[in-house]
Amino acid sequence: GAGVSQSPRYKVAKRGQDVALRCDPISGHVSLFWYQQALGQGPEFLTYFQNEAQLDKSGLPSDRFFAERPEGSVSTLKIQRTQQEDSAVYLCASSLADEQFFGPGTRLTVL
Amino acid sequence: AQKITQTQPGMFVQEKEAVTLDCTYDTSDQSYGLFWYKQPSSGEMIFLIYQGSYDEQNATEGRYSLNFQKARKSANLVISASQLGDSAMYFCVMRDLNPGNTPLVFGKGTRLSVIA
Repeated sequence: GAGVSQSPRYKVAKRGQDVALRCDPISGHVSLFWYQQALGQGPEFLTYFQNEAQLDKSGLPSDRFFAERPEGSVSTLKIQRTQQEDSAVYLCASSLADEQFFGPGTRLTVL
Repeated sequence: AQKITQTQPGMFVQEKEAVTLDCTYDTSDQSYGLFWYKQPSSGEMIFLIYQGSYDEQNATEGRYSLNFQKARKSANLVISASQLGDSAMYFCVMRDLNPGNTPLVFGKGTRLSVIA
């Protein structure tokens, strides 16, 4: 498809487990953003890549969160030792210019 | 720092009527963009409309229009002729346009319910 895809769509983890969330941006899109959306809230910025360079990671809530985009296309958001407060929808967006195109999100539930 | 305020947690509108969703913003940036996104229950984030801070004309996109009042720092979304499919969460969003590509800042959202 031509849109942003994310996998898995749903993830249930036991507290303390590590998880990896994948984002496939639109082909050719240079910029890639990760957002976290808690239940009933608006998304909040986590981190931003331009090609393979992580230009801004100021939104990552703790050092348990790590993101990479090694070849400038697919990105992975990794959360180590998950906690219940990490339960949220994780949205990925890619852009070429001003408009950001969002993926369907990964709903993470930490038990 | 940028901040978006949406004061209406929920709104109801009769089908075929118009509805205004309120949004105020705060920023010290001179060049910024304002967006509205729709998020249905399925979860995807759908871009609706965009207004640049230097645009003098209010943006319109089909049944959507953005009532931009720069001096009051408001960017209300007007949906005309509401349809049942408009029922969703609506987010007012802004972004600093300088420099380059920057993250979006979202409001808390307004849940719109369209009644038949």
